[in-house]
Amino acid sequence: GAVVSQHPSRVICKSGTSVKIECRSLDFQATTMFWYRQFPKQSLMLMATSNEGSKATYEQGVEKDKFLINHASLTLSTLTVTSAHPEDSSFYICSADKTVNTEAFFGQGTRLTVV
Amino acid sequence: GDSVTQMEGPVTLSEEAFLTINCTYTATGYPSLFWYVQYPGEGLQLLLKATKADDKGSNKGFEATYRKETTSFHLEKGSVQVSDSAVYFCALTGRQAGTALIFGKGTTLSVSS
Repeated sequence: GAVVSQHPSRVICKSGTSVKIECRSLDFQATTMFWYRQFPKQSLMLMATSNEGSKATYEQGVEKDKFLINHASLTLSTLTVTSAHPEDSSFYICSADKTVNTEAFFGQGTRLTVV
Repeated sequence: GDSVTQMEGPVTLSEEAFLTINCTYTATGYPSLFWYVQYPGEGLQLLLKATKADDKGSNKGFEATYRKETTSFHLEKGSVQVSDSAVYFCALTGRQAGTALIFGKGTTLSVSS
């Protein structure tokens, strides 16, 4: 199967700082990547859809100025949590689609803790 | 809109017991259906999938059959192991690449020896 690598796996940052999370497809090109947020013991909430070379499409209620998404190449999408606050603490997961398959491949997730 | 409904957890079983986790869906058209598994502190791994009606997905002893008439995709395993303890998510997506998955709320399975 395809491999999606997400980095870092864990990060602790101070309130008010920004954190960047990377999502890379290692052995395929991903036209589309997705960013999800998972609250404890809850399902995954789609935050945004990231398309290479264009602006991300954000789901309703997700602040695009706070969660900056950049899909600079067919193998890399980044999520930057700007001016992080404790309520942003969560588990963030990316996924990537192969261009001709509906199956999504997930990164390992990033546990963000804002103190 | 499209949605997925999973049975509420947690599900607690003894080793070698039979497992069923119910999943039903609402969707327009003919979605692809998936089961993903999440082990503690990790991302999601695809467990199995089915892309059309009557397809049976299977992997590691788990099975699920795409039932269009009952809009269901129940996950089953004949004999669970302690290592199967995890959270299981049922999901669907439209057929085009670039369509996000829609997840159920997840069902926590705990297997004791």
